[in-house]
Amino acid sequence: DAKTTQPTSMDCAEGRAANLPCNHSTISGNEYVYWYRQIHSQGPQYIIHGLKNNETNEMASLIITEDRKSSTLILPHATLRDTAVYYCIVRVGTDSSYKLIFGSGTRLLVRP
Amino acid sequence: NAGVTQTPKFRVLKTGQSMTLLCAQDMNHEYMYWYRQDPGMGLRLIHYSVGEGTTAKGEVPDGYNVSRLKKQNFLLGLESAAPSQTSVYFCASKSSLNEKLFFGSGTQLSVL
Repeated sequence: DAKTTQPTSMDCAEGRAANLPCNHSTISGNEYVYWYRQIHSQGPQYIIHGLKNNETNEMASLIITEDRKSSTLILPHATLRDTAVYYCIVRVGTDSSYKLIFGSGTRLLVRP
Repeated sequence: NAGVTQTPKFRVLKTGQSMTLLCAQDMNHEYMYWYRQDPGMGLRLIHYSVGEGTTAKGEVPDGYNVSRLKKQNFLLGLESAAPSQTSVYFCASKSSLNEKLFFGSGTQLSVL
């Protein structure tokens, strides 16, 4: 599976959009991009995933560049409860084992 | 639904002792996973299962064994605990019908 590169930490002001980048320059055509987050010491929580089109759900938007070498997770109106570690993961969609390999993630701090 | 339940939540072992961590899910999920997370690090996959009676190795399988005798349960065993196995252990499960992993709340294990 392709490796991902994320900034170690970021911060944003409460109420503003949080844009979390992820580089996956070695991604192949059948690999999906997934985002999870981990609040404090809880179990990770699924946020969103996509292949090549931009995706939006009730939690966030996922913007994938046309060459698919990078993506951005957007939290449109960050709240204090969005402070967490955010993981960007890529995996092969046809992999029957469905293994998700987590990296170190980005620690997002939402400031009051 | 309780989701994914891990037992116990906390445990302290002495070096050389054995124990079993239990993961139970009530969502009829086919896939189940065991991860460990060391302080300040991302999650690392220990073992996983794609169905009842099947198991496979993840990134860091040494020192652990697993069993999936029933679809709803995934057991993680430590035969002879070592201080290097001090960690937080997370179990996760997934349906074959969608992309989301559901995580338990974790087991904090300390090996002295």
